[in-house]
Amino acid sequence: GENVEQHPSTLSVQEGDSAVIKCTYSDSASNYFPWYKQELGKRPQLIIDIRSNVGEKKDQRIAVTLNKTAKHFSLHITETQPEDSAVYFCAALGNDMRFGAGTRLTVKP
Amino acid sequence: DGGITQSPKYLFRKEGQNVTLSCEQNLNHDAMYWYRQDPGQGLRLIYYSQIVNDFQKGDIAEGYSVSREKKESFPLTVTSAQKNPTAFYLCASSMGGASYEQYFGPGTRLTVT
Repeated sequence: GENVEQHPSTLSVQEGDSAVIKCTYSDSASNYFPWYKQELGKRPQLIIDIRSNVGEKKDQRIAVTLNKTAKHFSLHITETQPEDSAVYFCAALGNDMRFGAGTRLTVKP
Repeated sequence: DGGITQSPKYLFRKEGQNVTLSCEQNLNHDAMYWYRQDPGQGLRLIYYSQIVNDFQKGDIAEGYSVSREKKESFPLTVTSAQKNPTAFYLCASSMGGASYEQYFGPGTRLTVT
């Protein structure tokens, strides 16, 4: 099946810096792009999502951008805090359900 | 975190045995999903069901079976035909199809020796 590529696989930033995670998808029928945060041993939790008719969405320190033409979308976290440390997954949903492999974000105090 | 539950949290089985993982939701969601999560890999779809008494194979359905006799329940059976069953299994549900937010259960870690 068609995959979602997610980069980087690990990301370490200093507290207060920004973090950016990028995903690329290939199925042009994908129309819903959620981002999940998963802490160790816990269930994934939705943190933000975007639909294909929108280019950007922001919720406090978190933002997502979508470029439908290029088939890529990104998660931006500003003013990172140690509690942001987790694994983040992107997904491209539509006819198929495809998830990225995850990015382990570490925020150093 | 309530609304969708999985049991048990940890499960141990011997090779050659079938095992059934439970998933229940009280969110009145039509759609339910089973995913497998392995280290360093994204979630991979095993089976999904859009409505009671109907389900479709995902990308890695071989060695697994499901049933959807009730809206609230979507049990997954890991059969002895599954060659590498040790993994973390996540169940999810959503109001409609794939274009709706999916709510995940807490997961079941299955270890087969």
